[in-house]
Amino acid sequence: NAGVMQNPRHLVRRRGQEARLRCSPMKGHSHVYWYRQLPEEGLKFMVYLQKENIIDESGMPKERFSAEFPKEGPSILRIQQVVRGDSAAYFCASSARGTNTGELFFGEGSRLTVL
Amino acid sequence: DAKTTQPPSMDCAEGRAANLPCNHSTISGNEYVYWYRQIHSQGPQYIIHGLKNNETNEMASLIITEDRKSSTLILPHATLRDTAVYYCIVRVLGTNAGKSTFGDGTTLTVKP
Repeated sequence: NAGVMQNPRHLVRRRGQEARLRCSPMKGHSHVYWYRQLPEEGLKFMVYLQKENIIDESGMPKERFSAEFPKEGPSILRIQQVVRGDSAAYFCASSARGTNTGELFFGEGSRLTVL
Repeated sequence: DAKTTQPPSMDCAEGRAANLPCNHSTISGNEYVYWYRQIHSQGPQYIIHGLKNNETNEMASLIITEDRKSSTLILPHATLRDTAVYYCIVRVLGTNAGKSTFGDGTTLTVKP
């Protein structure tokens, strides 16, 4: 059973470009969460999605950031017009539908560097 | 979600037990205590969770005080590979299982 897959693992963008980060949850998981980790800091919740629905985006910056989890395919975190402050590791986690154990399974992260 | 407080760093000798404390004095009755760890910028890994009873699994033990205001994660025989940042979080089970902010955690260094 493959774990949570994130790609790309490393992404370099220039200021003003767009970054797209993809996350394929574990098989059978329909809940996806995105976290951001700045250097030397802990993980900060960004958004929680289920298939075709955004459940909670209270941690998402109001501008330039968006997320989706379509019926088919991976979840995508999109950052438009990137700035240097967006440089961070972005982690995706998934959990099984209906679980109340709260266990999250994390991917290895996508590291965005903005030049 | 209740806030947690953890020491920023701890050392432990290889083969000895590592005891990592966490304070969560504002925890509410329906909030669980969870522990995760992150090894050198890898994705965080679930360790254990509990509500009020002590819990044990193949990785660790979780001791929760009777008033639930603090807990201790115990790694019974620490190895060098247990060197990591350990995060304690508390949250209610429900539809949003992942919203909690992980904070800065405790950096555990296991020394030979």
